[in-house]
Amino acid sequence: DAGVIQSPRHEVTEMGQEVTLRCKPISGHNSLFWYRQTMMRGLELLIYFNNNVPIDDSGMPEDRFSAKMPNASFSTLKIQPSEPRDSAVYFCASRPTGMRAFFGQGTRLTVV
Amino acid sequence: GDSVTQMEGPVTLSEEAFLTINCTYTATGYPSLFWYVQYPGEGLQLLLKATKADDKGSNKGFEATYRKETTSFHLEKGSVQVSDSAVYFCALRGAGGGADGLTFGKGTHLIIQP
Repeated sequence: DAGVIQSPRHEVTEMGQEVTLRCKPISGHNSLFWYRQTMMRGLELLIYFNNNVPIDDSGMPEDRFSAKMPNASFSTLKIQPSEPRDSAVYFCASRPTGMRAFFGQGTRLTVV
Repeated sequence: GDSVTQMEGPVTLSEEAFLTINCTYTATGYPSLFWYVQYPGEGLQLLLKATKADDKGSNKGFEATYRKETTSFHLEKGSVQVSDSAVYFCALRGAGGGADGLTFGKGTHLIIQP
């Protein structure tokens, strides 16, 4: 298996633009997580899905952030409009029930 | 809520030195505990884990013991190598329901000098 696949690996965008991050979980994994990593706050859980259903989005910082999982093999994290303070590395992870999580390589987002 | 506290870095050591990275946690019940490693330019990888008190996780020469009495899960290695340079994250997954994701510490940057 190729593991959790995230795209793009790097994204540079201007403030105010819409940004969409993509994740393909490992096939058969029924839980998917989005994390944000910054120097100041470390790793933060933004939202997680179970069987494509958002279970807990209390970590989503603002209404500018939204996440969807239209099917078991694809999820998106969208920021609209983006701000410089959104600059971070965004990780997607997936896992089967009761097992440990597997992480993607992350998307490094820079908002200028 | 659940939380993880780990020593701040960067931690700089010479090759073959003994390593300890402290990690303590706050959680209800009996969480599962993890150490993840992030090598430069890469994503997170599971290094080791322990799921109950007194369990010892080990991998690649690293060890950590789940200490319920001190709520700790310190990472140790007897002789570090330059290739161990990375950021290390302590994490827990709560046993009491609620958010099903991992709660991470802020990470400790380890630098090993030849």
